[in-house]
Amino acid sequence: KQEVTQIPAALSVPEGENLVLNCSFTDSAIYNLQWFRQDPGKGLTSLLLIQSSQREQTSGRLNASLDKSSGRSTLYIAASQPGDSATYLCAVPLTSYGQNFVFGPGTRLSVLP
Amino acid sequence: KAGVTQTPRYLIKTRGQQVTLSCSPISGHRSVSWYQQTPGQGLQFLFEYFSETQRNKGNFPGRFSGRQFSNSRSEMNVSTLELGDSALYLCASSLLPSGGSNIQYFGAGTRLSVL
Repeated sequence: KQEVTQIPAALSVPEGENLVLNCSFTDSAIYNLQWFRQDPGKGLTSLLLIQSSQREQTSGRLNASLDKSSGRSTLYIAASQPGDSATYLCAVPLTSYGQNFVFGPGTRLSVLP
Repeated sequence: KAGVTQTPRYLIKTRGQQVTLSCSPISGHRSVSWYQQTPGQGLQFLFEYFSETQRNKGNFPGRFSGRQFSNSRSEMNVSTLELGDSALYLCASSLLPSGGSNIQYFGAGTRLSVL
């Protein structure tokens, strides 16, 4: 059974810092891995999707890496801003063909001005 | 174009009642998935529908059911509500159900409180 964990559970940093969020999964036979952002009381917004054949994906100040063999992914946020404050979740598909996910518990990020 | 719309946004029910939640996907999307989010269990997959057929189902009791209409709109129903059903219920839509490159777009959710 696939299990996804994330560390740290919460993180508070001053504006401008670079930071790394970590995600681990138990079954390395994943089809892809996706990072989401969730603002309080709201739905999820997809940030980055990494296919199993890829090592990393970049979007603006965000960079996500994937190491299937070790069951790990990291989300790197450069030059953090107060608007980055949210909960960040990583997720892997339940099946090899589907896109319904097992989610990690999330990392709650606060970026202080 | 309009995003995923979930109604109602908030709902208060009492134990033993039943509830129906609605999800309208992005225009053209045919796949709709439902998730339950609670502080204790996090986000958990409920079920997925594509072209009015349930394709996948998570590990939830039979009190949780859903359906999809010909216009791709979906409803989920929870019967005999329990206190533990209090949660944020999220709906996600995508163009197709298969293929890892299909991104799911999430609605804002329906927050259900069971008293």
